[in-house]
Amino acid sequence: DIQMTQSPSSLSASVGDRVTITCRASQRISTYLNWYQQKPGKAPNLLIYAASRLQSGVPSRFSGSGSGTDFTLTISSLQPEDFAVYYCQQSYITPFTFGPGTKVDIK
Amino acid sequence: QVQLQQSGPGLVKPSQTLSLTCAISGDSVSSNSAGWDWIRQSPSRGLEWLGRTYYRSKRYIDYAESVKSRITIDTDTSKNQFSLQLNSVTPEDTAIYYCARDSTHWGSDYFDYWGQGTPVTVSS
Repeated sequence: DIQMTQSPSSLSASVGDRVTITCRASQRISTYLNWYQQKPGKAPNLLIYAASRLQSGVPSRFSGSGSGTDFTLTISSLQPEDFAVYYCQQSYITPFTFGPGTKVDIK
Repeated sequence: QVQLQQSGPGLVKPSQTLSLTCAISGDSVSSNSAGWDWIRQSPSRGLEWLGRTYYRSKRYIDYAESVKSRITIDTDTSKNQFSLQLNSVTPEDTAIYYCARDSTHWGSDYFDYWGQGTPVTVSS
């Protein structure tokens, strides 16, 4: 199985900050990488697919980049509703696997 | 608008079978452009993909090796729903179970619609 890791595991930030989360795959996965946001008590919500494609309805402050094994999710200006846990997920091959998550909370 | 509505018991006894159903509205379980997946989430295992079913002229099913000997994903086209059965459960199967739609674009599969989640506890 492809192992996904994320860093940091958690971060504290202020409204308006630029936030970057990284995701690494244990083998090359081209751009078969998705990002999700999850809030307490809710299902994950798709933000970015195919490494850099913004899902419909997702604010443009979210962006994704990377290919191969290293990927990043960037929030250009953190908003109050962005405090959540963020997960990456590879879809290069089944079993689809997720990263352990990065918790973004208020500084 | 696609909606997925999950149903099923929240408490299952050890060694018994966990059964959940996901009813689809706004799409079809027989769609040739979507897949229908089960994913679970627990503090110890994180988000774990369990398996999927999809139609591409015929029906396909993929299962995660970790549960392959115990899992069945099935479809009911008359009710436009799909189901999960997990046999011989143990407390390690305690988790929130989600159904999700699996779409493909730019070559990448992604989960764009999710059910509301069903917390399942395995306990006597």
